[in-house]
Amino acid sequence: EVQLVESGGGLVQPGGSLRLSCAASGFPFKTYWMHWVRQAPGKGLVWVSHISSDGSTTTYADSVKGRFTISRDNAKNILYLQMNGLTVEDTAVYYCTRDRRLLGHDWGQGTLVTVSS
Amino acid sequence: DIQLTQSPSFLSASVGDRVTITCRASQGIGTYLAWYQQKPGKAPKLLIYAASTLQSGVPSRFSGSVSETEFTLTISSLQPEDFATYYCQHLNSFPLPFGGGTKVEIK
Repeated sequence: EVQLVESGGGLVQPGGSLRLSCAASGFPFKTYWMHWVRQAPGKGLVWVSHISSDGSTTTYADSVKGRFTISRDNAKNILYLQMNGLTVEDTAVYYCTRDRRLLGHDWGQGTLVTVSS
Repeated sequence: DIQLTQSPSFLSASVGDRVTITCRASQGIGTYLAWYQQKPGKAPKLLIYAASTLQSGVPSRFSGSVSETEFTLTISSLQPEDFATYYCQHLNSFPLPFGGGTKVEIK
């Protein structure tokens, strides 16, 4: 069974940093592209970032470019999102997803990040 | 960038109704589109991929279709457990856009 378990969310002050993790199991992690998607309270889904299967290629939404860094450890089956320079607009539930291309995405349960003073 | 325009944003319907949700792409995307269902406090759940293929375990009352750049999610007979928010997602080019969502509520 595919499992994606996010962790690392919490309350942080504006300008602060957090690192999210997503532990993957039940599939060959190193062969899949992975993504982070976020959802602000009461709002829709927004794609944040992508990383290729070997970690050599990364892509970011304009809203997080230069502040967020996606990475992965294929030996440990973990996806990361390092978030720096957080603002109140980054408050959201953050989901990691497995990219099955035309077959759609599998989703974790999400982790809540709250940016507030 | 490709944009997805989903309509309606809100829909009020009764159990047993036929419901149709539309997602229009700003340019051709072939069949690289998925539909998800999301209930409050839960992660999105994949319903349809490749525009019209039903994900394993999803009831057959859900179906998807495509005509050029217009994608449709249909629920043939709405059930109580179908009241949720539905999203479309493009699958093949960044920034992997989502539609704005359609909230289906009980009339």
